[in-house]
Amino acid sequence: GAVVSQHPSRVICKSGTSVKIECRSLDFQATTMFWYRQFPKQSLMLMATSNEGSKATYEQGVEKDKFLINHASLTLSTLTVTSAHPEDSSFYICSARVWEDDNIQYFGAGTRLSVL
Amino acid sequence: AQSVSQHNHHVILSEAASLELGCNYSYGGTVNLFWYVQYPGQHLQLLLKYFSGDPLVKGIKGFEAEFIKSKFSFNLRKPSVQWSDTAEYFCAVKGPTLNTGFQKLVFGTGTRLLVSP
Repeated sequence: GAVVSQHPSRVICKSGTSVKIECRSLDFQATTMFWYRQFPKQSLMLMATSNEGSKATYEQGVEKDKFLINHASLTLSTLTVTSAHPEDSSFYICSARVWEDDNIQYFGAGTRLSVL
Repeated sequence: AQSVSQHNHHVILSEAASLELGCNYSYGGTVNLFWYVQYPGQHLQLLLKYFSGDPLVKGIKGFEAEFIKSKFSFNLRKPSVQWSDTAEYFCAVKGPTLNTGFQKLVFGTGTRLLVSP
């Protein structure tokens, strides 16, 4: 199956700093990428959906100025958590969809963000 | 709004035991249903999916799931589990197309399965 690489797998940062998470589709072109957030013992919650070359669409309650998403190419999307605070500590997962197979999403391994 | 319920948060089984993980969804229209598995330290992988047709769906690694429309359920089963099936299992449903043109994938809270050798 298609491979989605997410980097870094774990990051620890100080409060007030910004953190960038990368999501790459390694062997396919991802027309659409998704960013999820997962709290302990809870489900994956969709944060935003992005198409290559256009602005991301954010879910209700997700601050677009806080969670900057860039989908500059068909193989790369980035999520930047700006001015991170301890409450932003979470597990962030990206996912990509292949144009030819609309119903299947391929997931990255996730990034554990800890804000001190 | 769509929602997915997985009632078992933790399941512990011995090897060779049979497995059934419950999944119920709330959405009245046509749905696409999925089971994903996440092995320790790895990414989510698709186990199986249902779009239409035979409600009994066969997936990878001996898993199967049955779509029962009247019960809004899509339970996952395996006749005989192995230690290597230790993982977290997520049920998901994809429903109506949003204004953005995308169909949102809604996940359950997951079931953590531990298989003891």
